Amino acid sequence: QSALTQPRSVSGSPGQSVTISCTGTSSDVGGYNYVSWYQQHPGKAPKLMIYDVSKRPSGVPDRFSGSKSGNTASLTISGLQAEDEADYYCCSYAGSYTLPVVFGGGTKLTVL
Amino acid sequence: EVQLVESGGGLVQPGGSLRLSCAASGFTFSSYWMSWVRQAPGKGLEWVANIKQDGSEKYYVDSVKGRFTISRDNAKNSLYLQMNSLRAEDTAVYYCAREGAQMTRFDPWGQGTLVTVSS
Repeated sequence: QSALTQPRSVSGSPGQSVTISCTGTSSDVGGYNYVSWYQQHPGKAPKLMIYDVSKRPSGVPDRFSGSKSGNTASLTISGLQAEDEADYYCCSYAGSYTLPVVFGGGTKLTVL
Repeated sequence: EVQLVESGGGLVQPGGSLRLSCAASGFTFSSYWMSWVRQAPGKGLEWVANIKQDGSEKYYVDSVKGRFTISRDNAKNSLYLQMNSLRAEDTAVYYCAREGAQMTRFDPWGQGTLVTVSS
């Protein structure tokens, strides 16, 4: 499987909402409810923001939400804040022993 | 505090070898699958390999199969990645990550260690 497809960049003003899409196939995103989202600030390790499509780990603000429709998953960030500016990666289970998970190419979120 | 700390990265010539380590603390290491995930400079994330709690199952992405070996020492709360026959395309920051109930739930991640393959 190739990487999941994400927009290269999205932007929004403080207080606004943005949605980042993640498109796969029926063999990954569409086939399982195991999509996660990671936030990565420059020079830092990725941080889990959403798992199992729409669940938030403790400590992640409820401004972050996830959903899925067919082969496309989405991450929505509401009430944008300056500290949300980062790269975001989606990740899906793909069911293969040699490539059990596949990541998206990443989306750069700019807070204007 | 749950923590993962990688070490062992560096500059190596093509065809060379390197062994990465990941020290775990703050959780019962022996209860979790563990993964290595890498990120080439300016690029996205790529899953590399994972290992079952007792080391009895190991899986690799095709591009590293036969060259990389994942292992663990539960007594030392440590994860390892032995990398042989290194290629320029293996240049990346290598992260270790704990897997959750589902493999896509990588949490936490270590800070990463940079491997540069160049002559």
